[in-house]
Amino acid sequence: AQTVTQSQPEMSVQEAETVTLSCTYDTSESDYYLFWYKQPPSRQMILVIRQEAYKQQNATENRFSVNFQKAAKSFSLKISDSQLGDAAMYFCAYNAPSGSRLTFGEGTQLTVNP
Amino acid sequence: NAGVTQTPKFQVLKTGQSMTLQCAQDMNHEYMSWYRQDPGMGLRLIHYSVGAGITDQGEVPNGYNVSRSTTEDFPLRLLSAAPSQTSVYFCASSYVGVDTEAFFGQGTRLTVV
Repeated sequence: AQTVTQSQPEMSVQEAETVTLSCTYDTSESDYYLFWYKQPPSRQMILVIRQEAYKQQNATENRFSVNFQKAAKSFSLKISDSQLGDAAMYFCAYNAPSGSRLTFGEGTQLTVNP
Repeated sequence: NAGVTQTPKFQVLKTGQSMTLQCAQDMNHEYMSWYRQDPGMGLRLIHYSVGAGITDQGEVPNGYNVSRSTTEDFPLRLLSAAPSQTSVYFCASSYVGVDTEAFFGQGTRLTVV
């Protein structure tokens, strides 16, 4: 079974600084997708960024980028120029090739300090 | 476009009571699922469905039933609520596919006393 691990329960960053959230996963598959979801206090789950395992280029969405290391099974999220609105719980997730079992990590609670 | 509509948003149950959490989506997604979110444990898959008439168990299915009679609706039933089922529940839908984005409802905070 696939597992996803986020070893940082809490992180904090100063406004305008950069922060990196860590995620590791375990799978025997060669093709899969990885996701980062954001959950603000409203509880709404919001997709931040996604990465296909076969693509060597790291995904980027505005201030959000990933460092995908397939051999190490590592998928970290970098948030640049942090804003107060970035404060949220962040979940790393893995989607199996069948596309029907999205597996989440434990989550990292990010605090942004003004 | 409503997306994924989940009701109720909050619910308090007594131990042994039953209830149904409703979930409806208007995006014609084949795939629907239910998760529970507990502190320090992320979201764990309870049940999922890849189409009308097809359901399967996830990681934590005990104490929950589902059915999928239409593409749009995927209710989650608690047959006899227990305090261990106190949690936040999320319904999600998506197209079937490894790259597809999952869309989530607003969640239901359930407390069993």
